Amino acid sequence: DTGVSQNPRHKITKRGQNVTFRCDPISEHNRLYWYRQTLGQGPEFLTYFQNEAQLEKSRLLSDRFSAERPKGSFSTLEIQRTEQGDSAMYLCASSLGDGSYNEQFFGPGTRLTVL
Amino acid sequence: AQKVTQAQTEISVVEKEDVTLDCVYETRDTTYYLFWYKQPPSGELVFLIRRNSFDEQNEISGRYSWNFQKSTSSFNFTITASQVVDSAVYFCALIKAAGNKLTFGGGTRVLVKP
Repeated sequence: DTGVSQNPRHKITKRGQNVTFRCDPISEHNRLYWYRQTLGQGPEFLTYFQNEAQLEKSRLLSDRFSAERPKGSFSTLEIQRTEQGDSAMYLCASSLGDGSYNEQFFGPGTRLTVL
Repeated sequence: AQKVTQAQTEISVVEKEDVTLDCVYETRDTTYYLFWYKQPPSGELVFLIRRNSFDEQNEISGRYSWNFQKSTSSFNFTITASQVVDSAVYFCALIKAAGNKLTFGGGTRVLVKP
């Protein structure tokens, strides 16, 4: 029974470059979430999928950010034209069911550093 | 809007001491869920406990216990007889019923010294 996995674990890029992160949720979990965590802060919600449908996006998710979950399995988060302010840990989580009652299981995160 | 406040930024204790983490929240929703998560140095958030807003019964689970008081919007968490492995950042979080996003506090770093 594997947990949520994320790749890569670390990414260093230069300002202006595009980056893409991948999240593989726990199998059969229909809900998938992306959060961003900056140093010394709690995670902040970015977006949420139920199966393949992206149902909610935070105002933090600017036009440079796009997330997909084709076929309702893994998800990708792409950041275009990265800025230094994008440097953060990007966390993926998944949960089962339709209710907010069910805990979200988090992956190890992808740490992005924009130089 | 929802808000979670963890006023303690860092707590340092000696092994076997009890540690109590404070959490105060704000929400207009009448039904919601409160969580505590642990984030060890490895970075992965680990679910610890959950409490429903309509159930104020306090419970104990192993070395963990929590005190939920709806009247003061507080959801405090206690680790009894702390161990070095408890060293981590602890986050309190809130989600409204039928909601999708967790609102996290800023976290409290716990350092347990041997």
